[in-house]
Amino acid sequence: EIVMTQSPATLSVSPGERATLSCRASQSVSSNLAWYQQKPGQAPRLLIYGASTRATGIPAKFSGSGSGTEFTLTISGLQSEDFAVYYCHHYNNWPQWTFGQGTTVEIK
Amino acid sequence: QLQLQESGPGLVKPSETLSLTCTVSGGSISNSSYYWGWIRQPPGKGPEWIGTMYYTTNAFHIPSLKRRVTLSVDTSKNQFSLRLSSVTAADTAVYYCATFGGVFAPSLDYWGQGTLVTVSS
Repeated sequence: EIVMTQSPATLSVSPGERATLSCRASQSVSSNLAWYQQKPGQAPRLLIYGASTRATGIPAKFSGSGSGTEFTLTISGLQSEDFAVYYCHHYNNWPQWTFGQGTTVEIK
Repeated sequence: QLQLQESGPGLVKPSETLSLTCTVSGGSISNSSYYWGWIRQPPGKGPEWIGTMYYTTNAFHIPSLKRRVTLSVDTSKNQFSLRLSSVTAADTAVYYCATFGGVFAPSLDYWGQGTLVTVSS
């Protein structure tokens, strides 16, 4: 099983600032990595796929980078609606898909 | 645009079988280029894949669940289902049905709203 490790577990950020979230895979997943945002009571929403491609309707404030085992999600100009839990998810080789344990972005 | 909706009991007794159905609208479940599957999310934890179907192959993502999970499809009703037998409190979670394009179509990503299943006597 490929283990996805996200850091930090919680990130405290002031509104308007930038948040940088990390995701590390225990072995290479190429660029087959997605990022999701989840708010309470909602299903996760796809933000980024292919490590760096924004999903339909996702604003440019969200950007992804990385390949292999190291990935980053950057959220610029944080607004109230961006405070949520973020998950990385690899889909490199079915059925070994796994999610990370999540990073909570909270208001500082 | 695909829409998925889970249905099934919200409370299951320990040792009994959890049964959920996902009804798909806006597209055909016979579209075998998609992965159709189930994800669960225990309270306060990250999501985890339970099982997915692709063409005629079923895959089970959690080895410890494999012997307890059954996946099935009813193309006439455009539905697919999950059965998880011998449940315990550890199976309490929000269960989502989802469809995904995988490496060939990673932008394809649809989830149901999720249904909370509590295992308790």
